[in-house]
Amino acid sequence: KNQVEQSPQSLIILEGKNCTLQCNYTVSPFSNLRWYKQDTGRGPVSLTIMTFSENTKSNGRYTATLDADTKQSSLHITASQLSDSASYICVVSAPGGAGSYQLTFGKGTKLSVIP
Amino acid sequence: NAGVTQTPKFQVLKTGQSMTLQCAQDMNHEYMSWYRQDPGMGLRLIHYSVGAGITDQGEVPNGYNVSRSTTEDFPLRLLSAAPSQTSVYFCASSYSGSVGYGYTFGSGTRLTVV
Repeated sequence: KNQVEQSPQSLIILEGKNCTLQCNYTVSPFSNLRWYKQDTGRGPVSLTIMTFSENTKSNGRYTATLDADTKQSSLHITASQLSDSASYICVVSAPGGAGSYQLTFGKGTKLSVIP
Repeated sequence: NAGVTQTPKFQVLKTGQSMTLQCAQDMNHEYMSWYRQDPGMGLRLIHYSVGAGITDQGEVPNGYNVSRSTTEDFPLRLLSAAPSQTSVYFCASSYSGSVGYGYTFGSGTRLTVV
C-alpha cells in the first residue's frame, strides 16, 4: 500500500530560526512529490512540485530536497516568520488508471513559530 | 478573484438528512476533485472528474454522489448523512489530472453530523 510518512508530527521554533521537515514515502512507481502549506481553517496551498529527476527546488524561504533512491524528501524553512505557522503536507503522485494520477497525502507536520 | 469557491463554510446536519456541498472554479480547469480531511489522517479522495460529464470514484466514495454538468461546477451530495461523515471537505481543481499540474484547493466546508 502506498504510504507517506511525515516527521515530526509537530514542531515549535523561535522566530528567525531555521527548521527542516521530513517526508518518507513508499509510493511506487513515483511520478512527483509536492509540498503544501495549510493554514488553520484554509485549504492547502502548493509550495513546490518535484519530479524524480530534481534534487532540489526553492520557493522563497522554502527549499525542498528529494532523494528518489532512498524515497525521502525534506522541506527546509529559512529564517522562519510567524506567518510560517501552519501544517505542511507532503503529497506523492503515482500513475493511476486510464492516464490519471493518484495522490497519497501525508498527515502533515504542524509548525508553530513563536516570538 | 480566480480560484475555487466552496459553500457553505460550515454546516450542521442531523443524521439521515441530505445536503449538497457546492464547489465552483473559474480557471477553466478540466480536473476537479473532492477530499475529506479528518484529524490524524491525510486527505482522502472521495470522487473526481476529468471533465464535464465524466466522474469516477476515489478512495472513500460510499455515501456520496457527484455529477459534473459544467466545467465550472462540481457539487458533492450527501444522500443520508451519518456521524462518520463529520469532517472537513475540500474541493480541488487542476488544469489536468496529469502529473506536473498543481492543484488549487478551496477553503473547505466544515460539516458536523449529529
